[in-house]
Amino acid sequence: DVKVTQSSRYLVKRTGEKVFLECVQDMDHENMFWYRQDPGLGLRLIYFSYDVKMKEKGDIPEGYSVSREKKERFSLILESASTNQTSMYLCASRGGRNEKLFFGSGTQLSVL
Amino acid sequence: RKEVEQDPGPFNVPEGATVAFNCTYSNSASQSFFWYRQDCRKEPKLLMSVYSSGNEDGRFTAQLNRASQYISLLIRDSKLSDSATYLCVVNMFFGTGGFKTIFGAGTRLFVKA
Repeated sequence: DVKVTQSSRYLVKRTGEKVFLECVQDMDHENMFWYRQDPGLGLRLIYFSYDVKMKEKGDIPEGYSVSREKKERFSLILESASTNQTSMYLCASRGGRNEKLFFGSGTQLSVL
Repeated sequence: RKEVEQDPGPFNVPEGATVAFNCTYSNSASQSFFWYRQDCRKEPKLLMSVYSSGNEDGRFTAQLNRASQYISLLIRDSKLSDSATYLCVVNMFFGTGGFKTIFGAGTRLFVKA
């Protein structure tokens, strides 16, 4: 079965810190996604990537950047963390256009 | 306007009830459609894909109406274990040949004994 691994389950950072969230998948999927989930707002797409070095903004990219140097790894970067970026971050990967998403376990980030 | 819209609920139903969830999407170039289920503090998991011809999996029936850009999920004979958030999900064409996956905000279901 596909495995999507996020580097941390819980993370606490201070305002202004640079934060890296890592995600690795083991099924050679082309498409990878970063979402954040907040109560009442569902999953909102931050960025996605459809190939190595290719990235597209999602619905809420402000304050974030991403990196995909290798096919299996998709990193989310908070350049200068702010308290409104406290959230659950979910990484996912997908094969073809008609295929389902496979999720990591999520990273609960708290910015103090 | 959100790209995928759902009634947030919550829906409170007794065991054995039939409950229906609806979802609309804005992008007519959408390619594929799904219902996911999410339990509290867990990641979403695929419940079923949705096809124009309609599809059924046990007590669950999903339907797609492309002309109306509308998706539905019907749960018959509700069980306590069906209590969860149900997410409508759409793979949408985004212009450079790829498809992004967009979630609705979810509909919360509580099934009571």
